[in-house]
Amino acid sequence: QTVVTQEPSLTVSPGGTVTLTCASSTGAVTSSYYPNWFQQKPGQAPRALIHSTSDKHSWTPARFSGSLLGGKAALTLSGVQPEDEADYYCLLYCGGAQGHWVFGGGTKLTV
Amino acid sequence: QVQLVESGGGVVQPGRSLRLSCAASGFAFGRHGFHWVRQAPGKGLEWVAVISYDGSNQNYADSVKGRFTVSRDNSKNSLYLQMDSLRAEDTAVYYCARDINGRWSLDYLGQGTLVTVSS
Repeated sequence: QTVVTQEPSLTVSPGGTVTLTCASSTGAVTSSYYPNWFQQKPGQAPRALIHSTSDKHSWTPARFSGSLLGGKAALTLSGVQPEDEADYYCLLYCGGAQGHWVFGGGTKLTV
Repeated sequence: QVQLVESGGGVVQPGRSLRLSCAASGFAFGRHGFHWVRQAPGKGLEWVAVISYDGSNQNYADSVKGRFTVSRDNSKNSLYLQMDSLRAEDTAVYYCARDINGRWSLDYLGQGTLVTVSS
Protein backbone atom coordinates (compact mmCIF):
# COMPACT_ATOMS: atom_id res chain seq x y z
CA GLN A 1 0.00 0.00 0.00
CA THR A 2 1.56 3.26 -1.17
CA VAL A 3 1.91 6.01 1.42
CA VAL A 4 1.98 9.59 0.17
CA THR A 5 3.68 12.13 2.43
CA GLN A 6 3.27 15.91 2.61
CA GLU A 7 4.56 18.51 5.05
CA PRO A 8 1.99 18.72 7.89
CA SER A 9 2.18 22.48 8.06
CA LEU A 10 3.94 25.47 6.51
CA THR A 11 3.86 29.20 7.19
CA VAL A 12 4.44 31.95 4.64
CA SER A 13 4.22 35.73 4.76
CA PRO A 14 1.85 37.60 2.42
CA GLY A 15 3.56 38.26 -0.89
CA GLY A 16 6.08 35.50 -0.31
CA THR A 17 6.72 32.23 -2.10
CA VAL A 18 6.25 28.75 -0.69
CA THR A 19 6.67 25.25 -2.08
CA LEU A 20 4.68 22.27 -0.87
CA THR A 21 5.92 18.77 -1.71
CA CYS A 22 4.42 15.31 -2.16
CA ALA A 23 6.49 12.15 -1.81
CA SER A 24 5.71 8.50 -2.49
CA SER A 25 6.84 5.59 -0.32
CA THR A 26 7.52 3.57 -3.49
CA GLY A 27 10.22 5.91 -4.78
CA ALA A 28 10.57 9.00 -6.91
CA VAL A 29 7.38 10.67 -8.09
CA THR A 30 7.39 11.00 -11.86
CA SER A 31 4.95 12.36 -14.41
CA SER A 32 3.51 8.83 -14.64
CA TYR A 33 1.90 9.45 -11.25
CA TYR A 34 -0.08 12.34 -12.82
CA PRO A 35 0.15 14.42 -9.60
CA ASN A 36 -2.96 16.40 -8.72
CA TRP A 37 -3.22 19.21 -6.17
CA PHE A 38 -6.35 20.31 -4.31
CA GLN A 39 -7.12 23.26 -2.06
CA GLN A 40 -9.63 23.01 0.77
CA LYS A 41 -10.80 25.86 2.96
CA PRO A 42 -12.69 25.29 6.24
CA GLY A 43 -16.25 24.13 5.70
CA GLN A 44 -15.83 23.86 1.93
CA ALA A 45 -15.41 21.02 -0.53
CA PRO A 46 -11.96 20.50 -2.02
CA ARG A 47 -11.19 22.37 -5.21
CA ALA A 48 -8.84 21.03 -7.86
CA LEU A 49 -5.89 23.31 -8.68
CA ILE A 50 -3.37 21.30 -10.70
CA HIS A 51 -3.49 18.04 -12.63
CA SER A 52 -0.98 15.94 -14.56
CA THR A 53 1.96 17.46 -12.63
CA SER A 54 1.69 21.02 -13.91
CA ASP A 55 -1.52 21.59 -15.86
CA LYS A 56 -3.83 24.24 -14.42
CA HIS A 57 -7.60 24.16 -14.48
CA SER A 58 -9.36 27.12 -16.05
CA TRP A 59 -10.13 28.51 -12.60
CA THR A 60 -6.63 28.13 -11.11
CA PRO A 61 -4.98 31.46 -10.25
CA ALA A 62 -1.72 32.11 -12.09
CA ARG A 63 0.27 32.26 -8.83
CA PHE A 64 -0.15 28.49 -8.41
CA SER A 65 2.20 26.19 -10.32
CA GLY A 66 3.04 22.50 -10.24
CA SER A 67 6.28 20.69 -10.97
CA LEU A 68 8.54 17.77 -10.10
CA LEU A 69 11.31 18.61 -7.67
CA GLY A 70 13.95 16.27 -6.29
CA GLY A 71 11.86 13.13 -6.81
CA LYS A 72 8.69 14.69 -5.43
CA ALA A 73 5.69 16.47 -6.83
CA ALA A 74 5.65 20.14 -5.87
CA LEU A 75 3.11 22.93 -5.66
CA THR A 76 4.55 26.45 -5.62
CA LEU A 77 2.60 29.54 -4.61
CA SER A 78 4.23 32.81 -5.72
CA GLY A 79 3.00 36.11 -4.35
CA VAL A 80 0.91 34.42 -1.66
CA GLN A 81 -2.39 36.09 -0.78
CA PRO A 82 -4.18 35.91 2.58
CA GLU A 83 -6.97 33.93 0.92
CA ASP A 84 -4.49 31.17 0.09
CA GLU A 85 -4.56 30.06 3.71
CA ALA A 86 -6.02 26.55 3.43
CA ASP A 87 -5.28 22.85 3.49
CA TYR A 88 -3.60 21.48 0.38
CA TYR A 89 -3.71 17.85 -0.70
CA CYS A 90 -1.81 16.00 -3.38
CA LEU A 91 -3.20 12.96 -5.17
CA LEU A 92 -1.09 10.40 -6.99
CA TYR A 93 -2.20 7.85 -9.56
CA CYS A 94 -0.60 4.64 -8.37
CA GLY A 95 -1.29 2.50 -11.39
CA GLY A 96 -2.94 -0.84 -11.81
CA ALA A 97 -5.09 -2.04 -14.67
CA GLN A 98 -8.22 -0.38 -13.36
CA GLY A 99 -6.62 2.54 -11.59
CA HIS A 100 -5.74 3.22 -7.98
CA TRP A 101 -5.15 6.62 -6.42
CA VAL A 102 -3.74 7.75 -3.07
CA PHE A 103 -4.04 11.13 -1.33
CA GLY A 104 -1.32 12.67 0.76
CA GLY A 105 -2.08 13.59 4.34
CA GLY A 106 -2.37 17.28 3.49
CA THR A 107 -0.44 20.45 4.30
CA LYS A 108 -1.99 23.19 6.39
CA LEU A 109 -0.72 26.47 4.94
CA THR A 110 -0.79 29.49 7.22
CA VAL A 111 -0.43 32.95 5.71
CA GLN B 1 -21.91 24.78 -15.96
CA VAL B 2 -20.69 21.52 -14.51
CA GLN B 3 -22.60 20.47 -11.40
CA LEU B 4 -22.27 17.42 -9.20
CA VAL B 5 -24.80 17.04 -6.39
CA GLU B 6 -24.50 14.24 -3.87
CA SER B 7 -27.39 12.93 -1.81
CA GLY B 8 -28.36 9.97 0.35
CA GLY B 9 -26.22 10.60 3.40
CA GLY B 10 -27.52 10.21 6.92
CA VAL B 11 -27.16 8.31 10.17
CA VAL B 12 -26.96 4.52 9.91
CA GLN B 13 -26.21 1.76 12.39
CA PRO B 14 -23.03 -0.32 12.12
CA GLY B 15 -23.50 -3.31 9.84
CA ARG B 16 -26.30 -1.68 7.88
CA SER B 17 -26.33 -0.37 4.30
CA LEU B 18 -26.70 2.99 2.60
CA ARG B 19 -26.72 4.11 -1.03
CA LEU B 20 -25.32 7.47 -2.08
CA SER B 21 -26.22 9.19 -5.32
CA CYS B 22 -24.49 11.86 -7.37
CA ALA B 23 -26.54 13.76 -9.93
CA ALA B 24 -24.53 15.34 -12.73
CA SER B 25 -25.43 18.13 -15.11
CA GLY B 26 -23.85 20.61 -17.50
CA PHE B 27 -21.68 18.17 -19.47
CA ALA B 28 -21.71 14.85 -21.35
CA PHE B 29 -21.97 12.48 -18.40
CA GLY B 30 -21.39 9.30 -20.39
CA ARG B 31 -17.99 10.47 -21.62
CA HIS B 32 -16.34 10.62 -18.20
CA GLY B 33 -15.21 8.27 -15.48
CA PHE B 34 -16.00 9.19 -11.89
CA HIS B 35 -14.50 8.82 -8.44
CA TRP B 36 -15.75 8.80 -4.89
CA VAL B 37 -13.57 10.56 -2.31
CA ARG B 38 -14.29 10.77 1.41
CA GLN B 39 -13.15 12.80 4.39
CA ALA B 40 -13.61 11.69 7.97
CA PRO B 41 -14.34 14.49 10.48
CA GLY B 42 -11.17 16.51 11.08
CA LYS B 43 -9.12 14.23 8.83
CA GLY B 44 -7.65 14.31 5.33
CA LEU B 45 -9.02 13.18 2.01
CA GLU B 46 -9.20 9.49 1.11
CA TRP B 47 -9.75 8.11 -2.38
CA VAL B 48 -12.51 5.49 -2.27
CA ALA B 49 -13.46 4.22 -5.72
CA VAL B 50 -13.43 4.80 -9.46
CA ILE B 51 -15.73 3.75 -12.30
CA SER B 52 -15.05 3.99 -16.01
CA TYR B 53 -17.16 6.04 -18.42
CA ASP B 54 -19.28 3.05 -19.43
CA GLY B 55 -19.36 1.31 -16.04
CA SER B 56 -17.40 -1.69 -17.28
CA ASN B 57 -14.48 -1.18 -14.91
CA GLN B 58 -14.37 -0.30 -11.23
CA ASN B 59 -11.70 -0.25 -8.58
CA TYR B 60 -11.67 0.38 -4.85
CA ALA B 61 -9.45 1.37 -1.97
CA ASP B 62 -8.48 -1.60 0.19
CA SER B 63 -10.42 -0.08 3.11
CA VAL B 64 -13.76 -0.53 1.29
CA LYS B 65 -13.10 -3.38 -1.12
CA GLY B 66 -15.75 -6.08 -0.83
CA ARG B 67 -18.15 -3.78 1.06
CA PHE B 68 -18.73 -0.84 -1.32
CA THR B 69 -19.93 -0.97 -4.93
CA VAL B 70 -19.77 1.91 -7.38
CA SER B 71 -22.20 2.00 -10.29
CA ARG B 72 -23.73 4.45 -12.75
CA ASP B 73 -26.78 4.99 -14.92
CA ASN B 74 -25.80 7.00 -17.97
CA SER B 75 -29.47 7.39 -18.97
CA LYS B 76 -30.06 9.27 -15.71
CA ASN B 77 -26.73 11.13 -15.53
CA SER B 78 -26.23 9.56 -12.13
CA LEU B 79 -23.47 7.91 -10.14
CA TYR B 80 -24.03 5.69 -7.13
CA LEU B 81 -22.12 4.25 -4.18
CA GLN B 82 -23.69 1.26 -2.46
CA MET B 83 -22.18 0.92 1.00
CA ASP B 84 -22.74 -2.35 2.85
CA SER B 85 -21.52 -3.66 6.20
CA LEU B 86 -20.87 -0.11 7.33
CA ARG B 87 -18.40 0.52 10.14
CA ALA B 88 -17.83 3.47 12.45
CA GLU B 89 -14.67 4.29 10.50
CA ASP B 90 -16.75 4.85 7.36
CA THR B 91 -18.15 8.01 8.97
CA ALA B 92 -17.20 10.81 6.58
CA VAL B 93 -18.30 13.36 4.04
CA TYR B 94 -18.46 11.61 0.67
CA TYR B 95 -17.68 13.57 -2.50
CA CYS B 96 -18.18 12.51 -6.09
CA ALA B 97 -15.61 13.77 -8.55
CA ARG B 98 -15.31 13.80 -12.32
CA ASP B 99 -12.34 12.16 -14.02
CA ILE B 100 -10.41 14.01 -16.72
CA ASN B 101 -10.42 11.54 -19.59
CA GLY B 102 -7.03 10.09 -20.35
CA ARG B 103 -5.20 12.10 -17.70
CA TRP B 104 -5.69 9.93 -14.58
CA SER B 105 -6.83 13.12 -12.84
CA LEU B 106 -9.85 14.78 -11.30
CA ASP B 107 -11.39 18.16 -12.01
CA TYR B 108 -14.85 18.89 -10.58
CA LEU B 109 -16.02 17.76 -7.14
CA GLY B 110 -19.46 18.02 -5.57
CA GLN B 111 -20.28 19.59 -2.22
CA GLY B 112 -20.47 16.24 -0.45
CA THR B 113 -22.93 14.30 1.68
CA LEU B 114 -22.33 13.29 5.30
CA VAL B 115 -22.56 9.66 6.34
CA THR B 116 -22.53 8.93 10.06
CA VAL B 117 -22.25 5.32 11.21
CA SER B 118 -23.33 5.08 14.82
CA SER B 119 -25.51 2.99 17.06
